[in-house]
Amino acid sequence: DVKVTQSSRYLVKRTGEKVFLECVQDMDHENMFWYRQDPGLGLRLIYFSYDVKMKEKGDIPEGYSVSREKKERFSLILESASTNQTSMYLCASSFLQGSSGYTFGSGTRLTVV
Amino acid sequence: GQSLEQPSEVTAVEGAIVQINCTYQTSGFYGLSWYQQHDGGAPTFLSYNALDGLEETGRFSSFLSRSDSYGYLLLQELQMKDSASYFCASSNAGKSTFGDGTTLTVKP
Repeated sequence: DVKVTQSSRYLVKRTGEKVFLECVQDMDHENMFWYRQDPGLGLRLIYFSYDVKMKEKGDIPEGYSVSREKKERFSLILESASTNQTSMYLCASSFLQGSSGYTFGSGTRLTVV
Repeated sequence: GQSLEQPSEVTAVEGAIVQINCTYQTSGFYGLSWYQQHDGGAPTFLSYNALDGLEETGRFSSFLSRSDSYGYLLLQELQMKDSASYFCASSNAGKSTFGDGTTLTVKP
């Protein structure tokens, strides 16, 4: 069964900590994405990547960075966690053309205290 | 920029038909996708329309009119398990912008 795996389902971190969210896909997809989901705001794109070593800013990149050293792995980094980064983080992957849609991971619910 | 509008809530009874509309304003539009998300779950892909017209997949159909920047998701023979949030998403060069979602409640 093909899947996108996010390393943690729930995380609690302190303000100012550096936080790493890991995502691995086993479908050989070129594209990988990080979204955050907040009530009433839908899914907002943080960063995406079309290829290894490549990254592009999404709509809300401030306070975040990403790393894609291997095709199957896309990491989201919160450089210095803040309470307004408390959210559900969703990783997704897709083929380059995107017509078959995204496959999402189960999400990481991050709470920053 | 990209923006999509869809109703925040829809309620229908079991066995009925419901239509969830989506209007979009995007540049470089490629196509419109629909996703379903149950409470606590991940969004799952339902359909994708790149061309005008209706695409049917079982009880679900999706429609696109590029000239009107409009699409809809049609759910037939509603079941209780269809209670979920539904998102439309516009594709632009491989990345998608999502609407805020429509919460569908199916009542007995």
